[in-house]
Amino acid sequence: AQKVTQAQTEISVVEKEDVTLDCVYETRDTTYYLFWYKQPPSGELVFLIRRNSFDEQNEISGRYSWNFQKSTSSFNFTITASQVVDSAVYFCALSEADAGGTSYGKLTFGQGTILTVHP
Amino acid sequence: NAGVTQTPKFQVLKTGQSMTLQCAQDMNHNSMYWYRQDPGMGLRLIYYSASEGTTDKGEVPNGYNVSRLNKREFSLRLESAAPSQTSVYFCASSEDGVIAVRGFSYEQYFGPGTRLTVT
Repeated sequence: AQKVTQAQTEISVVEKEDVTLDCVYETRDTTYYLFWYKQPPSGELVFLIRRNSFDEQNEISGRYSWNFQKSTSSFNFTITASQVVDSAVYFCALSEADAGGTSYGKLTFGQGTILTVHP
Repeated sequence: NAGVTQTPKFQVLKTGQSMTLQCAQDMNHNSMYWYRQDPGMGLRLIYYSASEGTTDKGEVPNGYNVSRLNKREFSLRLESAAPSQTSVYFCASSEDGVIAVRGFSYEQYFGPGTRLTVT
């Protein structure tokens, strides 16, 4: 069975600090998909990024960057120069695929990391 | 374009009562999902539907039933509510499904959630 672990339950930083949220996953499949979602205080989950198992290229989007390493089964998320608006719960999630690489979107979520950015 | 809508937003039930949570999406998505969110446990998949007319169990289906009424609507029913079902329930939709693209997994769009308390 697949599993996602976010060992950091809560992180507290001061504005402008860099912060890395860790995500470690377990799966027996060779084809799978990884996601990060953000849940702000309003409650709705918002998609941030998707990565498939055969694309280990790291990605940067503004202040956000993601580091995917298959060798360590990790998909970590870094926020550079954090801002108060980054305060939220962040979830890492995993979706497996069938033998043909098709995903039906059955997500397994990690426990979530509560990030608080203080002014 | 409302995205994913859920009703009601809040509900209090007594043990043994029944209720149906409603979910609708206007993005013509194939797949729809029901999750529950409990403190420290992330989101867990209850049921999902990869296409109109099909439903399948997720990680925690016991005590729930679902109906994919048409492509837009996916309802979740609690036949006899128990205190253990106190949770926040999220509906989601995506383009994943039986017509999914190989080698790609779509992001999910989430509704605002229903906060259910069973006393």
